[in-house]
Amino acid sequence: QVHLVESGGGVVQPGRSLRLSCAASGFTFSNYGMHWVRQAPGKGLEWVAVVFYDGRRKYYGDSVKGRFTLSRDNSKNTLYLQMNSLRVEDTAFYYCARGSVYDETQYYSDYWGQGTLVAVSS
Amino acid sequence: QSALTQEASVSGTVGQTVTLSCSGNGNNIGSYPVGWYQQISHGAPKTVMFGSSQPSGIPDRFSASKSGTTASLTISGLQPEDEADYYCSTWDSSLSGQVFGGGTKLTLL
Repeated sequence: QVHLVESGGGVVQPGRSLRLSCAASGFTFSNYGMHWVRQAPGKGLEWVAVVFYDGRRKYYGDSVKGRFTLSRDNSKNTLYLQMNSLRVEDTAFYYCARGSVYDETQYYSDYWGQGTLVAVSS
Repeated sequence: QSALTQEASVSGTVGQTVTLSCSGNGNNIGSYPVGWYQQISHGAPKTVMFGSSQPSGIPDRFSASKSGTTASLTISGLQPEDEADYYCSTWDSSLSGQVFGGGTKLTLL
């Protein structure tokens, strides 16, 4: 079955960088768009970014645009999120989630990982 | 402030039918299908509906509909395990990104 496992979270100082990974299994990774969604403590879900199946198209939320970079390695079935210039307000659980196939509009996610916690604090 | 608007809270009793709403505009709900997610006690979200489709393993007590710029999630025959936060999402063409609602807390009385 579909399995998504995030890693790379931790405590980091403001202004520093962190890279999250999401290992995928149980499906043909290269056929699907992949999302990152985050949730700050006590808050709702916030969409972060999506990369289409072939890695050519990427879209980012306004709060992370210019600081975060999404990439994927289809040969390793792995999704990455490079987070630079981290801010206190980036503190959240970060979930990777499977999106739509091929060029379909990325309006939803159907499977989610368990999440990894990023805490930005001095 | 979320791009999509959901009720902050809804309550019901076991066996009852409840409907949660998600309002947007022509750039999002008016143009694209909607996904619905259940989150229990701030654990990982679980998808209960996307468009009119249901992931495997989700009870058919869950159903979804859309009219214009408002989407709805209906839960028939409420069960204790349905108590959770529910979020809606869709694509927004003006933002070139996915947008979420603020979430609805469903409480069983």
